[in-house]
Amino acid sequence: SQQGEEDPQALSIQEGENATMNCSYKTSINNLQWYRQNSGRGLVHLILIRSNEREKHSGRLRVTLDTSKKSSSLLITASRAADTASYFCATDGAGGSYIPTFGRGTSLIVHP
Amino acid sequence: KAGVTQTPRYLIKTRGQQVTLSCSPISGHRSVSWYQQTPGQGLQFLFEYFSETQRNKGNFPGRFSGRQFSNSRSEMNVSTLELGDSALYLCASSPGAGQQETQYFGPGTRLLVL
Repeated sequence: SQQGEEDPQALSIQEGENATMNCSYKTSINNLQWYRQNSGRGLVHLILIRSNEREKHSGRLRVTLDTSKKSSSLLITASRAADTASYFCATDGAGGSYIPTFGRGTSLIVHP
Repeated sequence: KAGVTQTPRYLIKTRGQQVTLSCSPISGHRSVSWYQQTPGQGLQFLFEYFSETQRNKGNFPGRFSGRQFSNSRSEMNVSTLELGDSALYLCASSPGAGQQETQYFGPGTRLLVL
């Protein structure tokens, strides 16, 4: 079963708009990571946020984490056509066992 | 530094055959993890190797196995291939000092089982 579940499954926006993707998970975590995957290729790491952090920024990316709601969001501001990709959240358990689990991803299409 | 490399990039096999995939991690990285990605199941963790030892294992049958060499390069083997093994197999490396680190992924090997 998937630990992280992204929402929405698909998102279509115009260049310049903001894109928000959400990730919910079931058990407690040490950290949560967001990755991007371009069309059937390898994943690229975007941001890691630890369980004691609430918000992190990296360029046009903003990630929030709410451990009380077991959810995270990824915001891409001023999106570009090159942001078209699938976005995944990945969590690993706080119980000491490192079995990373990925959600099914959000497919983002940014129209020029 | 060169990124994670995987060979071959594409592979076609028939049911019952076996296959070996190779992964070369980023120089200096000692941890290598393998994942299977399919449209139906998404991205699933197979196993992780660190210093030539399997450190973590996902929930896959024994037909899936792997190993790591002293230079940190890793191979995974799938025996008695089934149609459902058709997938993108991704390898990821990390420095390995801790078990919860950022992973750097290779481009993947796309396996088609006929």
